Amino acid sequence: QVQLVESGGGVVQPGGCLRLSCEASGFTFSNYGMHWVRQAPGKGLEWVAATSYDGRSYNYADSVKGRFTISRDNPKNTLFLQMNSLRAEDSAIYYCAKERGVYDAFDAWGQGTMVIVSS
Amino acid sequence: EIVLTQSPGTLSLSPGERATLSCRASQSVSSSYLAWYQQKSGQAPRLLIYGASSRATGIPDRFSGSGSGTDFTLTISRLEPEDFAVYYCQQYGNSLYTFGQGTRLEIK
Repeated sequence: QVQLVESGGGVVQPGGCLRLSCEASGFTFSNYGMHWVRQAPGKGLEWVAATSYDGRSYNYADSVKGRFTISRDNPKNTLFLQMNSLRAEDSAIYYCAKERGVYDAFDAWGQGTMVIVSS
Repeated sequence: EIVLTQSPGTLSLSPGERATLSCRASQSVSSSYLAWYQQKSGQAPRLLIYGASSRATGIPDRFSGSGSGTDFTLTISRLEPEDFAVYYCQQYGNSLYTFGQGTRLEIK
């Protein structure tokens, strides 16, 4: 079955950087767009970034544009999120999610990885 | 950016009752691009409805979605104990994706 496993979260100081990974299995990774979605403690869901199936196109929420970079390694079935210039407000659980199809809903989610930005 | 506003913020009902959750968009959303998710405490979200009215794989038929334009509704016909959770709507058009702030469905 479809499985998404995030890793790379942790505690980082403001201004620091972190790289999240999401290992995918159970489906043909290279056929699907992928996303990062975050959830601050006790808050709602916030879409962060998206990449197309081939990694050639991507989009970002305004809140992370210029600081975060989404990428993917299709032969290794892995999605990444490089996070630079981290701020306290970036503290959240970060989920990777799989699209059903092009510009479609998210039909599979990982369990999430926690990022805490604090001095 | 399309803003989604969900109401009510919290809905208190009893098992067996009917739940009606609303999602209103700041501008028209193509029905093809409106989804509903369920999130239980400590878990990742789960897709319930896509394309405004299509149930995702494995979702019981007591869940149904409807609406068009700027007004969408998620209905749970007869609440089961496992349905008490937070529900989010999402729109996914124009290469940007936004979520509503969520409706908490709690046991009365």
